[in-house]
Amino acid sequence: AQSVTQPDIHITVSEGASLELRCNYSYGATPYLFWYVQSPGQGLQLLLKYFSGDTLVQGIKGFEAEFKRSQSSFNLRKPSVHWSDAAEYFCAVVPGGSYIPTFGRGTSLIVHP
Amino acid sequence: SQTIHQWPATLVQPVGSPLSLECTVEGTSNPNLYWYRQAAGRGLQLLFYSVGIGQISSEVPQNLSASRPQDRQFILSSKKLLLSDSGFYLCAWSTSNYGYTFGSGTRLTVV
Repeated sequence: AQSVTQPDIHITVSEGASLELRCNYSYGATPYLFWYVQSPGQGLQLLLKYFSGDTLVQGIKGFEAEFKRSQSSFNLRKPSVHWSDAAEYFCAVVPGGSYIPTFGRGTSLIVHP
Repeated sequence: SQTIHQWPATLVQPVGSPLSLECTVEGTSNPNLYWYRQAAGRGLQLLFYSVGIGQISSEVPQNLSASRPQDRQFILSSKKLLLSDSGFYLCAWSTSNYGYTFGSGTRLTVV
């Protein structure tokens, strides 16, 4: 079955440390891939997206993500986390030919001072 | 510029009461429109999507319904709310697969 998996429900990092949030998908072909961030009680904000081309994608707020076809992964990274990065992060996938995104269950990022 | 408006921001309704949540989009035409629900500690569940006026597709059987009376207006309704309808409701729009823009959400508490 087609699915999007974010294996980490919670991740805790210290401010200034590096961050990697994992996302794996199971679709027959390379889908469109997205990362969103949600602050408490707010809507979702697009961080970055991948459609084709360079597998390393740069986004807003210093985030980047790397598409690895062989691993069916699209992990989100940031070299140095700020306290304001504490939020919920969602990976989303749109299969080719579709226009309906499927979201992972999210990863809650906690940042310690 | 393109914006999406969703209201109300919060809502407390008794069990059995009706519901109407509204979402409007500005600055674009013929968008795809979506309603998602987010339960506490869970991901986003697609409830309805629409590719045009009067065209509604339902993803999850439930006591909710959706309507699109105008090109940029999407309404989520219920005749009788259940406790299980509590959650955070998000409206979103897109005109292609190049990104989905979300409203600020409605926190619904059914008591």
